[in-house]
Amino acid sequence: TQLLEQSPQFLSIQEGENLTVYCNSSSVFSSLQWYRQEPGEGPVLLVTVVTGGEVKKLKRLTFQFGDARKDSSLHITAAQPGDTGLYLCANSGGSNYKLTFGKGTLLTVNP
Amino acid sequence: DAGITQSPRHKVTETGTPVTLRCHQTENHRYMYWYRQDPGHGLRLIHYSYGVKDTDKGEVSDGYSVSRSKTEDFLLTLESATSSQTSVYFCAISEYGRDNSPLHFGNGTRLTVT
Repeated sequence: TQLLEQSPQFLSIQEGENLTVYCNSSSVFSSLQWYRQEPGEGPVLLVTVVTGGEVKKLKRLTFQFGDARKDSSLHITAAQPGDTGLYLCANSGGSNYKLTFGKGTLLTVNP
Repeated sequence: DAGITQSPRHKVTETGTPVTLRCHQTENHRYMYWYRQDPGHGLRLIHYSYGVKDTDKGEVSDGYSVSRSKTEDFLLTLESATSSQTSVYFCAISEYGRDNSPLHFGNGTRLTVT
């Protein structure tokens, strides 16, 4: 099972600040998915990155996949309270059907 | 939103009793999954299904069994609940089950074993 390490574990910032969270592994990712989970709900897919060096943007969120495909980052510009949630990265580790999740970064954006 | 319904949403049960959680989907997706989420451990895969009557174990399958007799329903059973099984349980579905195929999650079942 491929282990996914996410950092930081907790992050509390003020509205308007920028932030970056990370997902790392000692093994090469075939692809990587990022999810956001809000309290009382299930995770929701934000993006999938597949190609080394790939950058994807989703409004104020920028996702980057490392050139070596061992790491990924999520950058949020001008964070808003609505960005509050648990951010999870996930990967199959080469399995056909199973997705393994990191422990997540719990983000709190204060008004 | 993907049509996934988990029932019940909340349950309190006593140690040693059997418990069955239900996941129902209306998307006709082939792949279905049960995860549990605990503080400090994140989401961990219990069991998954890759078709009707086709299931396999995840990383934390001890004490759990599953059944899938229809495409739309995936049942998770705790034969004899223990306090260590107190958790939030999530069902997820996937259309293709491949590496970059997204999971769609239900809203979870909060189970408390006293």
